[in-house]
Amino acid sequence: RKEVEQDPGPFNVPEGATVAFNCTYSNSASQSFFWYRQDCRKEPKLLMSVYSSGNEDGRFTAQLNRASQYISLLIRDSKLSDSATYLCVVNYQAGTALIFGKGTTLSVSS
Amino acid sequence: DARVTQTPRDKVTEMGQEVTMRCQPILGHNTVFWYRQTMMQGLELLAYFRNRAPLDDSGMPKDRFSAEMPDATLATLKIQPSEPRDSAVYFCASGDWGKGETQYFGPGTRLLVL
Repeated sequence: RKEVEQDPGPFNVPEGATVAFNCTYSNSASQSFFWYRQDCRKEPKLLMSVYSSGNEDGRFTAQLNRASQYISLLIRDSKLSDSATYLCVVNYQAGTALIFGKGTTLSVSS
Repeated sequence: DARVTQTPRDKVTEMGQEVTMRCQPILGHNTVFWYRQTMMQGLELLAYFRNRAPLDDSGMPKDRFSAEMPDATLATLKIQPSEPRDSAVYFCASGDWGKGETQYFGPGTRLLVL
């Protein structure tokens, strides 16, 4: 079983739509959680950290459920510029390697 | 705006040749990671260093891969001999352990072994 699992998609949505991505992780001792964004042929970039209390950054909302080992990302009012691959990322211990899901591809069309 | 730099950006080589990839981490960052990305496996750790000392290279094929940090401003990843299955994008990332968990990725080296 992969340590971090995501639905690969693709998710094809129109502009303005709300879209949700889900992710599960296998190691219950995981300490930190993130969503990274990767554009085509580019490097991954941190989108946001994910906290147990849930957190929001503009149109993006991330949630963590430690009991279910489940992470989510909600994007409201999708923009064309949101088209990218979204990587669910887990860290077992600060300063150590990140564990990546394979990513979920989002395509937003006009 | 500090960035991780990597060279070369693209490399095409023939099977059996030596490949060296270089990374300049963000100045002052004490931790450097090498990741590899393929369509099949996604992003996976190869090795990482803290204060230039190797901490984990369990993801790296030891017989052909080697990673070093000759100094704090340079990390290298070498493949000798290269094989077609090594074709991938190799990313270097750096972070400042103790001052946050964010890892900053370089633009990657796209390697094609024929």
